Amino acid sequence: AQSVTQPDIHITVSEGASLELRCNYSYGATPYLFWYVQSPGQGLQLLLKYFSGDTLVQGIKGFEAEFKRSQSSFNLRKPSVHWSDAAEYFCAVQFTGRRALTFGSGTRLQVQP
Amino acid sequence: DARVTQTPRHKVTEMGQEVTMRCQPILGHNTVFWYRQTMMQGLELLAYFRNRAPLDDSGMPKDRFSAEMPDATLATLKIQPSEPRDSAVYFCASGLVVHRGGTEAFFGQGTRLTVV
Repeated sequence: AQSVTQPDIHITVSEGASLELRCNYSYGATPYLFWYVQSPGQGLQLLLKYFSGDTLVQGIKGFEAEFKRSQSSFNLRKPSVHWSDAAEYFCAVQFTGRRALTFGSGTRLQVQP
Repeated sequence: DARVTQTPRHKVTEMGQEVTMRCQPILGHNTVFWYRQTMMQGLELLAYFRNRAPLDDSGMPKDRFSAEMPDATLATLKIQPSEPRDSAVYFCASGLVVHRGGTEAFFGQGTRLTVV
């Protein structure tokens, strides 16, 4: 079955520290990859996407993600976290032949002062 | 600033009542998705449309849920009759194919449904 795994349910980092959120997807042809962020009571905002080409993609709010085909991973990174980054982050995958996204279970990020 | 608009934002209803949720996709987008978010199941796809035609509604309980696109500016999701287990946040997203079938989806703010 096509699935997306975010192994970390909850992460706490200090403000100014670096961040990496993990995402793996089930094996298959290279899919299209996305990261979304959701603040409490809000919808999902697209942070960045990978369709093809350079495996390191830049997004909004200083985020980047790297696609590693050999590991079926698409980890999200930020060099220095701000308190306003506290939110829930979802990795999403559009598997080959499908239009809809399959979402991971999300990682809740807390930022300590 | 183009955005997906969902109404209502919040809905409390009694079990057995009909609920209709509406979505206005971004102008020019030809794909519309309905997702449901719960604590237990996360984000689940209920249905999606391309050019107003339903392509996949396998995620919907067919006996009580229905999704339609009467025109390109309106998508609806109906539950009849509603049950307490339908309590969730329902998201609509509209999408644009940007790369060889890759669809960039933009989400609305959601409708928080509570069935008592």
